[in-house]
Amino acid sequence: GAGVSQSPSNKVTEKGKDVELRCDPISGHTALYWYRQSLGQGLEFLIYFQGNSAPDKSGLPSDRFSAERTGGSVSTLTIQRTQQEDSAVYLCASSLGTANEKLFFGSGTQLSVL
Amino acid sequence: QKEVEQNSGPLSVPEGAIASLNCTYSDRGSQSFFWYRQYSGKSPELIMSIYSNGDKEDGRFTAQLNKASQYVSLLIRDSQPSDSATYLCAVFYGNNRLAFGKGNQVVVIP
Repeated sequence: GAGVSQSPSNKVTEKGKDVELRCDPISGHTALYWYRQSLGQGLEFLIYFQGNSAPDKSGLPSDRFSAERTGGSVSTLTIQRTQQEDSAVYLCASSLGTANEKLFFGSGTQLSVL
Repeated sequence: QKEVEQNSGPLSVPEGAIASLNCTYSDRGSQSFFWYRQYSGKSPELIMSIYSNGDKEDGRFTAQLNKASQYVSLLIRDSQPSDSATYLCAVFYGNNRLAFGKGNQVVVIP
């Protein structure tokens, strides 16, 4: 696609429910990142995928968070048993995969946990 | 110490003036540094990258890097109202993880 696509753009859920957020990176980009941005805050790193290597999960805040990337392309971030503090914008970004490469961000998913 | 620190509060500058933003980072081994701009309600977009000590100029933007002191700065010359945004400093760490600072809000006053 022309850019990084994220869906849904908005998600409202009840506390305790599970949610899945989807990211479709730019075709050919081997690196994929998930970040979380709370209101007025910077970007908090969650997880990084590079090709077929094991992902860097060091930023996941709890075991309720998990992510997978199928076929080196589409990624899904799953949050189980959502809590109110999970409310934030979840941003996905992709790049060609080296440290010098520009990250292209999707438009994000605004998650609201009631 | 946080990986990437941007400590200044909101910065208000008159139109046409220079806006100066600073950022410090903790990993002395970092080699790649970036400034992203984020308009309210939008996603970040890259405006500058810098990898070597010294200055790098691109239009009205100048990035400055001092690896010995572990800081990166961004100058915006001839500030325009369209420059009003939050500027995020980002640093690549050895495991290819891009860490961001909290950002500095810039308001350009016409």
